Amino acid sequence: QQQVKQSPQSLIVQKGGISIINCAYENTAFDYFPWYQQFPGKGPALLIAIRPDVSEKKEGRFTISFNKSAKQFSLHIMDSQPGDSATYFCAATSNSGYSTLTFGKGTMLLVSP
Amino acid sequence: DAGITQSPRHKVTETGTPVTLRCHQTENHRYMYWYRQDPGHGLRLIHYSYGVKDTDKGEVSDGYSVSRSKTEDFLLTLESATSSQTSVYFCAISAPDRGRGNTIYFGEGSWLTVV
Repeated sequence: QQQVKQSPQSLIVQKGGISIINCAYENTAFDYFPWYQQFPGKGPALLIAIRPDVSEKKEGRFTISFNKSAKQFSLHIMDSQPGDSATYFCAATSNSGYSTLTFGKGTMLLVSP
Repeated sequence: DAGITQSPRHKVTETGTPVTLRCHQTENHRYMYWYRQDPGHGLRLIHYSYGVKDTDKGEVSDGYSVSRSKTEDFLLTLESATSSQTSVYFCAISAPDRGRGNTIYFGEGSWLTVV
């Protein structure tokens, strides 16, 4: 069964620090790797995504690092802020987004003031 | 905002009763999905649709059925609700992302409690 393994389950980071969330996948057919951010009572919202033809993608304070040979990817949140406190999900899919997403189980991030 | 509306947003129902959740989209997207979210399990796919009257099962489809008679509406039905179906249900659509290709956008969720 296709799986995406996400760690850690929860993370506490001080304001201004770097938050790092890791994911690993098994299916080599995956070709699209989005990260979602979810606030309590809301639906998951697309944060940033990467395709395996690049090793890194940066949008503002958010960076995805991708290691194709290790089948791992990670989300880095630089200068973490209390407003970043949320649950983060990594996901993977094939067929350029027309297939279904397989999600990691999520990481609850708390950024302390 | 992906133009997704879910209804009802909150519902409490009794075990054994049928329940239908509705997902409505305004942008004519072909692909629609129903996920459930539970603590410790993340988001799991229930059913999805790739066109009118074209649907397929996901990872946790037992106890659920879906219908899509119009492009804009995707219905999820619990034929006989059980307590294990207490969950948050998210509808989603596949649409172009900010770069190339498509990605999946979620609605605001429907909180279902089966007592």
